[in-house]
Amino acid sequence: RKEVEQDPGPFNVPEGATVAFNCTYSNSASQSFFWYRQDCRKEPKLLMSVYSSGNEDGRFTAQLNRASQYISLLIRDSKLSDSATYLCAVRGYGGATNKLIFGTGTLLAVQP
Amino acid sequence: SQTIHQWPATLVQPVGSPLSLECTVEGTSNPNLYWYRQAAGRGLQLLFYSVGIGQISSEVPQNLSASRPQDRQFILSSKKLLLSDSGFYLCAWSVEAPGAVEKLFFGSGTQLSVL
Repeated sequence: RKEVEQDPGPFNVPEGATVAFNCTYSNSASQSFFWYRQDCRKEPKLLMSVYSSGNEDGRFTAQLNRASQYISLLIRDSKLSDSATYLCAVRGYGGATNKLIFGTGTLLAVQP
Repeated sequence: SQTIHQWPATLVQPVGSPLSLECTVEGTSNPNLYWYRQAAGRGLQLLFYSVGIGQISSEVPQNLSASRPQDRQFILSSKKLLLSDSGFYLCAWSVEAPGAVEKLFFGSGTQLSVL
């Protein structure tokens, strides 16, 4: 089993739709969770951290479910500019570097 | 504010040639530094990380090496490139702070094509 898994998609949604992505992780001791956005041929950019109580940033909502070991990202009122690959990342506990492990990403295509 | 510079943006190299990619971070001290590779259609693979000058840890056996000659400089090298070394190489940095979530930030990446 991969340490971090995501549905690769693509998710094709119309403008204005609500879309949700899930990401599962295998290490129950994981401590930190993140969502990144990556445009084609560009570097990943940090979208938001995911906190235990859930957190919201404008149209974006992130949630953590420790019992089922997954994190989610909800995008409301999708815009064309939201089209990108969304990567989840999980940092385990222990080790000098607390390495960040990434999922392979979920491709979102917002259609006009 | 902190910035990370990575160059070159694109590189085309013949098989068997050497490689040197450089990354520098500004606006912070004693960062953790990382080299990731993203092959076409695949996820981000951690290649090397460094918690200080001269301290390099390798994640996967490979044809590449890394060095950290200065606090904010991280170099990825190869003596002889293989076709399988092609990919998108990303340098990244993070800083540990008590009570704060350690976040990772990426450079703009180098698209390497080995022909």
